[in-house]
Amino acid sequence: EIVLTQSPATLSLSPGERATLSCRASQSVSSYLVWYQQKPGQAPRLLIYDSSNRATGIPARFSGSGSGTDFTLTISSLEPEDFAVYYCQQRGSWPLTFGGGTKVDIK
Amino acid sequence: EVQLVESGGGLVKPGGSLRLSCAASGFTFSSYSMNWVRQVPGKGLEWVSSIISTRSSSSNIYYADSVKGRFTISRDNAKNSLYLQMNSLRAEDTAVYYCARDRYAYGDYHAFDYWGQGTLVTVSS
Repeated sequence: EIVLTQSPATLSLSPGERATLSCRASQSVSSYLVWYQQKPGQAPRLLIYDSSNRATGIPARFSGSGSGTDFTLTISSLEPEDFAVYYCQQRGSWPLTFGGGTKVDIK
Repeated sequence: EVQLVESGGGLVKPGGSLRLSCAASGFTFSSYSMNWVRQVPGKGLEWVSSIISTRSSSSNIYYADSVKGRFTISRDNAKNSLYLQMNSLRAEDTAVYYCARDRYAYGDYHAFDYWGQGTLVTVSS
């Protein structure tokens, strides 16, 4: 099983700041890495697929990068609606696995 | 508009059974692989099971080790519905269960672009 480790667990930032979230895989997942955003009481929302491709309707301030075992989700300038929990997921091998999440909260 | 609506959650005793349903609309259900993902309230996401839709009309099925042998995923394309039969339930199965659609039709893609609102399963005596 591929273990995904997200860091930091919590990121405290102010609106307008840049957020950099990390996801590290225990073995290579090639570029098969997906990012989701989840707000309280809501289902997850697909942000990025295959490491760097924004899903439909996702603003350009969200970007993803990486391959192999190290991946990054960057939010270039935080908007109030971006404060949420972010999860990575690998789709490269069974079982599918998720990271533990990074909470981005308001400083 | 794509919609996924789960139902069937509730309170069940350890060792009991429950069947979850997910009613799909707004897309060609039979063409898409479908998935169940669960989340303990306040915790992270855990993949549970996937049923793969292929052009040959066969379906491959996968389970997390934590539910293998106890849970069964199935689908009824005529009813646009996905199911999860959960047997021998344990306290650690307590979670919100989401159904989710694969982003692309046919095959193994497993990025989930549409999710239901979730249904809560509580396993407690």
